[in-house]
Amino acid sequence: DAGVTQSPTHLIKTRGQQVTLRCSPISGHKSVSWYQQVLGQGPQFIFQYYEKEERGRGNFPDRFSARQFPNYSSELNVNALLLGDSALYLCASSRRGTEASYEQYFGPGTRLTVT
Amino acid sequence: GDSVTQMEGPVTLSEEAFLTINCTYTATGYPSLFWYVQYPGEGLQLLLKATKADDKGSNKGFEATYRKETTSFHLEKGSVQVSDSAVYFCALLANQAGTALIFGKGTTLSVSS
Repeated sequence: DAGVTQSPTHLIKTRGQQVTLRCSPISGHKSVSWYQQVLGQGPQFIFQYYEKEERGRGNFPDRFSARQFPNYSSELNVNALLLGDSALYLCASSRRGTEASYEQYFGPGTRLTVT
Repeated sequence: GDSVTQMEGPVTLSEEAFLTINCTYTATGYPSLFWYVQYPGEGLQLLLKATKADDKGSNKGFEATYRKETTSFHLEKGSVQVSDSAVYFCALLANQAGTALIFGKGTTLSVSS
């Protein structure tokens, strides 16, 4: 089975621009979470979506938004980019519904550089 | 709030040495605990997990035991290989409704032959 996929792999944007990152979960997984990993740090939780509804939100400004589609894929949008938004953005999927569902499987990430 | 503290790295070992990476946590209730590994240029891979006190998670020669009395989940391996060189993250899932993983800052392991 295919793992979590993310696109694009790398992205370079200018301050003030907007960016959209995409994620496709593992087949059968209905939950998608987004994390930001700044260089040298552990991932920080941004959002979780389950069945197309937001189920959790981390301590990030309103410039960050996300949505989940009927096929359970997801997009993360960041507006008015700042230099500090430069990071690896990770998507994780999980099945939910059983104990095993709490395991989150991560994609390879999208490396965003803001100049 | 909930948090995870890992020993700072880098940890530098020779092949076949014994590895310990310390991890302690602060959380209300009874979180599930995880170790993830990140190889250079890649995303995170789940290494092992434990969901209740005294559980031992194990995978690929790595082990960690959920110690509620010391709020710890230390990662161990008896004989490391060069291919184990990576960044290791300890994490907890505090809410069984399945929301956010809370990660430590990561510990870089470098193994030389």
